[in-house]
Amino acid sequence: QVQLQESGPGLVKPSETLSLTCSVSGASITSYYWTWVRQPPGKGLEWIGFFYYSGSPNYSPSLQSRVTISVDTSKNEVSLKLRSVTAADTAIYYCARQSMGPVAGTGYYFDSWGQGTLVTVSS
Amino acid sequence: DIQMTQSPSSLSASVGDRVTITCRASQSIGAYLNWYQQKPGKAPKFLIYGASTLDSGVPSRFSGSGSGTEFTLTISSLQPDDFATYHCQQSHSFPWTFGPGTKVDIK
Repeated sequence: QVQLQESGPGLVKPSETLSLTCSVSGASITSYYWTWVRQPPGKGLEWIGFFYYSGSPNYSPSLQSRVTISVDTSKNEVSLKLRSVTAADTAIYYCARQSMGPVAGTGYYFDSWGQGTLVTVSS
Repeated sequence: DIQMTQSPSSLSASVGDRVTITCRASQSIGAYLNWYQQKPGKAPKFLIYGASTLDSGVPSRFSGSGSGTEFTLTISSLQPDDFATYHCQQSHSFPWTFGPGTKVDIK
């Protein structure tokens, strides 16, 4: 059974870079797509982007200029970097495995999630 | 971007009630619609993909339907474990987007 665990600083200063790591066990990082989703406290979910180790990442246009998602196959980890953060980036950040249904026309979905990590942007 | 809306934003129900949540997309998304359940302080849990296919292990009291722009999540007989917030999400077009969520609480 796949397990995901996010880690990283819980407090980041404005204008600095938010860096998180998602450690994956029970599945090879090279066999799936991996995505990041965030949720501001008390608000809804926002997709940040995904990465597949042999392809190009895909980012939300609203964050594309500031975000980088990458994988470390030697450590079976997925990383998220978000530059020039502001208070609006305060959120719980989740990593998730992205899978595709076996039937055409059903698309991708996020079938396993980490527990999430709260990142607060404040000086 | 495709905008997702949900109605109601919240509802109160009793154990045993039939509950229906509606999710609408701002443009046609075929069946590229997923549902998640989220309890307070927890990560979302995947329930349904392709508008109507239950993930493995999801109780059969959950069902999903719809296509195009209107979708529903139905819980046929609400159980104590089902009190949570439910999110829909489209995977038809980038950026993938979520609905604002529907909170189901105890009447």
